[in-house]
Amino acid sequence: EPEVTQTPSHQVTQMGQEVILRCVPISNHLYFYWYRQILGQKVEFLVSFYNNEISEKSEIFDDQFSVERPDGSNFTLKIRSTKLEDSAMYFCASSRDRANQPQHFGDGTRLSIL
Amino acid sequence: AQSVTQPDIHITVSEGASLELRCNYSYGATPYLFWYVQSPGQGLQLLLKYFSGDTLVQGIKGFEAEFKRSQSSFNLRKPSVHWSDAAEYFCAVANFGNEKLTFGTGTRLTIIP
Repeated sequence: EPEVTQTPSHQVTQMGQEVILRCVPISNHLYFYWYRQILGQKVEFLVSFYNNEISEKSEIFDDQFSVERPDGSNFTLKIRSTKLEDSAMYFCASSRDRANQPQHFGDGTRLSIL
Repeated sequence: AQSVTQPDIHITVSEGASLELRCNYSYGATPYLFWYVQSPGQGLQLLLKYFSGDTLVQGIKGFEAEFKRSQSSFNLRKPSVHWSDAAEYFCAVANFGNEKLTFGTGTRLTIIP
């Protein structure tokens, strides 16, 4: 069964540094998402992306965050200047359609900010 | 705004016993409802989904869930749990035309022999 793959599985970064999290969605999917889960908390929506533009973003997704689909397969989340509170598990998800198809999640990237 | 409540933070069940995990949602129209499972160090795996039609939905690994509009609930059930079912279970809701998933806080399931 096709999977969403995320790299790296664990990223350790100094505070203030830029970080890029990478995702390869399922190949025939058209909608892409990023979520995060701070340790011990619930999974929170960050942003959705369709047709090469952001379709929705949460309050968390401020100017420090950006997303990009640089080619036909990758979907990236960039944090420009990381803060301690950005430490979390970041999940990428994709779906074939907007709402009547479920989102398939990757295994996540654990981001640790020192 | 839509919200999801999972009232049980932690549930312990004996292997072979039945299981019910509770989920209540708050949303004006008919939502799209999901249950996901997360094993330690893993991502979120879809167990089952409800969009419309039959209110009792079957999922993978022997799980089922029932949508009850009158109670705004979507409880997950399994007749006989296995040790491998130990994990964190998340209920989630989405709106038609809005693809954002809103998750509950999760229920951690422990299985004892």
